[in-house]
Amino acid sequence: GESVGLHLPTLSVQEGDNSIINCAYSNSASDYFIWYKQESGKGPQFIIDIRSNMDKRQGQRVTVLLNKTVKHLSLQIAATQPGDSAVYFCAEKMGGTALIFGKGTTLSVSS
Amino acid sequence: EAGVVQSPRYKIIEKKQPVAFWCNPISGHNTLYWYRQNLGQGPELLIRYENEEAVDDSQLPKDRFSAERLKGVDSTLKIQPAELGDSAVYLCASSVSGTRRSETQYFGPGTRLLVL
Repeated sequence: GESVGLHLPTLSVQEGDNSIINCAYSNSASDYFIWYKQESGKGPQFIIDIRSNMDKRQGQRVTVLLNKTVKHLSLQIAATQPGDSAVYFCAEKMGGTALIFGKGTTLSVSS
Repeated sequence: EAGVVQSPRYKIIEKKQPVAFWCNPISGHNTLYWYRQNLGQGPELLIRYENEEAVDDSQLPKDRFSAERLKGVDSTLKIQPAELGDSAVYLCASSVSGTRRSETQYFGPGTRLLVL
């Protein structure tokens, strides 16, 4: 089975709204988490990452929140744009092991 | 800076035929990964190289899959013979090991394989 999962397979928002994409992980020993964006026909693109010693990390228009108590990870996208439409994957890693990806959430942004 | 380069971008073959994929990682990245991504799923690791050494190939189906990274830079992934279930996107990624940023893997565009 998968150790990383997502709460919703799809998310539809209006342009300008804030988007929140959620991810649950099962391995409490994971110490590194990362969000990727994958557009159709392309490889995953790095968005933002966070280590387990942090609760929050901000980038440009994106924020990742980590709640280790409930093993939950979220990606917040501010002022969502049509170009944000893609599949978003969270992934986890423990030490030197490989990244384990979830199934992905498809974000659709309408104008 | 050039990203991870993969070729071919698309490949259609008949079952039982061989196929090979090529990857050129980001310059200076000593860690290279091959992933397989099935439709609607996240990538799954096939093999990881640290320089020339395959340090994690536990998920590589060794009866038909092989990989090499002879000079610690470019890598090839081969399937022989291909089966219908091998149809997927094969992704290559690279990272710099031994640094705080070593977890960040950068992906290429992938090779889309269709086995008929």
